[in-house]
Amino acid sequence: NAGVTQTPKFRVLKTGQSMTLLCAQDMNHEYMYWYRQDPGMGLRLIHYSVGEGTTAKGEVPDGYNVSRLKKQNFLLGLESAAPSQTSVYFCASRVNTGELFFGEGSRLTVL
Amino acid sequence: AQKVTQAQTEISVVEKEDVTLDCVYETRDTTYYLFWYKQPPSGELVFLIRRNSFDEQNEISGRYSWNFQKSTSSFNFTITASQVVDSAVYFCALRDTSGTYKYIFGTGTRLKVLA
Repeated sequence: NAGVTQTPKFRVLKTGQSMTLLCAQDMNHEYMYWYRQDPGMGLRLIHYSVGEGTTAKGEVPDGYNVSRLKKQNFLLGLESAAPSQTSVYFCASRVNTGELFFGEGSRLTVL
Repeated sequence: AQKVTQAQTEISVVEKEDVTLDCVYETRDTTYYLFWYKQPPSGELVFLIRRNSFDEQNEISGRYSWNFQKSTSSFNFTITASQVVDSAVYFCALRDTSGTYKYIFGTGTRLKVLA
């Protein structure tokens, strides 16, 4: 099925560990985004990409890195996880009509 | 700078009541796009509507309607005859055309529809 797939769906980390969230889309979209959702904070943009090989910072980029080596994949990395990064992470790609199409989310807990 | 404000944190209504969710935005651009998304208890984010800044016509889709007023920088969402299935968090979002390609979301309004 066409869409945005996030891997993994759930993960528990210890402080200081690293991990990578993978976002894959099969709709040939150019623009991709990573958001985090926290209670009372809404959706905050971490990083985004306007095409293969490009990335840019959003509102809350600190502590995260991203890569877009292939058009269909947008990776979000945490080099040294902190409890403040406990959140639900959403990936999205922009459809031709301008709205964002979201993945199902990835719940990350950092102990 | 872009900003979206959803001042209503949580609203509770009884089924069949009408309810309006407020959204106020800030942008310096003359060309921009506004969106509403629904997040039901299952957690996924569902696109509801897109509106560009040149189209101030109100839109109706079944029990849903949207009122876009540039004069007050508002893009409000009304649900008529609410149903329990409307219970969700609703997000308003803004994208301007300054070249940053960012979509900025409000903090969301949690709607509870009681049977």
